[in-house]
Amino acid sequence: DTTVKQNPRYKLARVGKPVNLICSQTMNHDTMYWYQKKPNQAPKLLLFYYDKILNREADTFEKFQSSRPNNSFCSLYIGSAGLEYSAMYLCASSRRGGGAYEQYFGPGTRLTVL
Amino acid sequence: TQTVSQSDAHVTVFEGDSVELRCNYSYGGSIYLSWYIQHHGRGLQFLLKYYSGNPVVQGVNGFEAEFSKSDSSFHLRKASVHWSDSAVYFCAPIASSSFSKLVFGQGTSLSVVP
Repeated sequence: DTTVKQNPRYKLARVGKPVNLICSQTMNHDTMYWYQKKPNQAPKLLLFYYDKILNREADTFEKFQSSRPNNSFCSLYIGSAGLEYSAMYLCASSRRGGGAYEQYFGPGTRLTVL
Repeated sequence: TQTVSQSDAHVTVFEGDSVELRCNYSYGGSIYLSWYIQHHGRGLQFLLKYYSGNPVVQGVNGFEAEFSKSDSSFHLRKASVHWSDSAVYFCAPIASSSFSKLVFGQGTSLSVVP
């Protein structure tokens, strides 16, 4: 099974409220990623876990949190959603030994903040 | 800093035509190059990759890409497109010094007219 699952597929949130997105994979991949994608823009890496080590991009450091309770699951947490967070959030995973250039993506969660 | 440019935002061709989707990158060191495809409503899927050796690499569904160091390019081609090839295609170089990070281009939307 080479699927990455994301829940929910669609999320509606109020400005100022928290948002928690979930991702899971059963491929025993050691690295999991979160990307943000807005229309007509490139997917933007927000953060990634290599095993239990979290790496966050400098320009999104304070906006997003994440946890990885076990190898299969990874969450993306927004403490206080703003209108600018409306986007598609893509989760991906890869196996370090295979090189990060082959990532497996989930279908995405479309977040709308009102 | 590495950058990637996909010069064509939209490409429209007839079914059976050949197509070339362009990708240019800038990076001074060793680099991996890959292409991903995203069908409407679905997650990104790995298409093919290049690191060394034969500059022409084969991917799934008849796609191939050619690396050119002199042009800093990694263009994607298909000899005869099918309507199901309609999707957004992303070029994604990775600097070998930063194995975990894909840097996506903005994508080229390919429309294949039956």
